[in-house]
Amino acid sequence: QTVVTQEPSFSVSPGGTVTLTCGLSSGSVSTRNYPNWCQQISGQSPRTLIYNTNTRASGVPDRFSGSILGNKAALTITGAQADDESDYFCALYMRGGTWVFGGGTKLTVL
Amino acid sequence: EVQLVESGGGLVQPGGSLRLSCAGSGFIFSDYWMHWVRQVPGEGLVWVARVKGDGIEVNYDDSVKGRFTISRDNARNTVDLQMNSLRVDDTAVYFCVKGGTTYSYLLEWGQGTLVAVSS
Repeated sequence: QTVVTQEPSFSVSPGGTVTLTCGLSSGSVSTRNYPNWCQQISGQSPRTLIYNTNTRASGVPDRFSGSILGNKAALTITGAQADDESDYFCALYMRGGTWVFGGGTKLTVL
Repeated sequence: EVQLVESGGGLVQPGGSLRLSCAGSGFIFSDYWMHWVRQVPGEGLVWVARVKGDGIEVNYDDSVKGRFTISRDNARNTVDLQMNSLRVDDTAVYFCVKGGTTYSYLLEWGQGTLVAVSS
């Protein structure tokens, strides 16, 4: 069973930069996994930030960016703001046509 | 503006069935992959199933394979999830998610509908 790994928690100072990662329990993440990043503020539905590794969804500010760093997908937030405090989930496309989510990263801005 | 509105959630006994529906608007429904994703309150997201725009290609997570069926009616702009043999661990909020056209990215989310499986 493929496991998608994310940091359980992370903190960043207001105005700072943070990079969250998304890996595989075995193997490397590549662009063929079409990494997808979602933000979920407490009590709300998820909102997609990044899809296809580095494409920003409509209306997403450019301080959110996606990439492949080494063997993982990465979400970088530049100039963190208080309302960036939320849960961030990555999802990876797997051979066979399925998607698998990571466990999520709880980001604290303080 | 894209809108996805789920319905059909509720309380059901273990072993029972439930059918969820999602109505899409604001886009050419038949062009897009559609997904169902679920979330136990307070926990992470779990991808459940997807269906291609033409309704022919479908895929499921192993946890629901053989019990759940995803289907779509492009004339009514709806995608359904028929859930049979429900278990307590199927209890979750179920989200309808709009995908891409060629690729099934997870792009836009509905507000979710709660399914509670309990005796």
